[in-house]
Amino acid sequence: DIVMTQSPLSLPVTPGEPASISCRSTQSLLRSNGYNYLDWYLQKPGQSPQLLIYLGSTRASGVPGRFSGSGSDTDFTLKISRVEAEDVGVYYCMQALETPFTFGQGTRLEIK
Amino acid sequence: QVQLQESGPGLVKPSETLSLTCTVSGGSISSYYWSWIRQPAGKGLEWIGRIYTSGFTDYNPSLKSRVTLSVDTSKNEFSLKLRSVTASDTAVYYCARDGIGGLAWGQGTLVTVSS
Repeated sequence: DIVMTQSPLSLPVTPGEPASISCRSTQSLLRSNGYNYLDWYLQKPGQSPQLLIYLGSTRASGVPGRFSGSGSDTDFTLKISRVEAEDVGVYYCMQALETPFTFGQGTRLEIK
Repeated sequence: QVQLQESGPGLVKPSETLSLTCTVSGGSISSYYWSWIRQPAGKGLEWIGRIYTSGFTDYNPSLKSRVTLSVDTSKNEFSLKLRSVTASDTAVYYCARDGIGGLAWGQGTLVTVSS
């Protein structure tokens, strides 16, 4: 199985400040079609996960522009340009290159 | 916009079979993969498996011996059966539509394994 490792696991952020989460995979998520099969999800408190980013860098419909995904191969980053109070929750990366799909451990973002 | 709703017993006895159904609304179930994912309380996410509307299945090897997925396109629903459950199968179970544009999740349903 592909192992996904996130850091940090806890991320306290002041509103208005940027935030960054790293996700690394044990094998390349880049397919020959040029796409990286890496998704980012946010699980807000008491809710199911919601899609933020797919194929490494494509924002899902309705996701605010302050969220961006970057990276390739085995190293990926989710950035929030200016954190808002509604961004609290646990962020997960997931590899969709091959089954079984696997998730990172999750990064808990909290507001300072 | 597609919506998914899980349903089934919230309490299952050890050694018995956990059975859940996911009903899809707001779109056809055809021509997509449909996944199940679970999350024990306070823990991370585990992908259980997926089924295509043709009936093709793909299971997590860690659960493969105990899992069966099925789909009923006439009812726009798909189902999960997990046999011989133990307390470690207690979790919130999510169904999701699986496409190139990521997973679209249901709200989840808590299943507790206890006598």
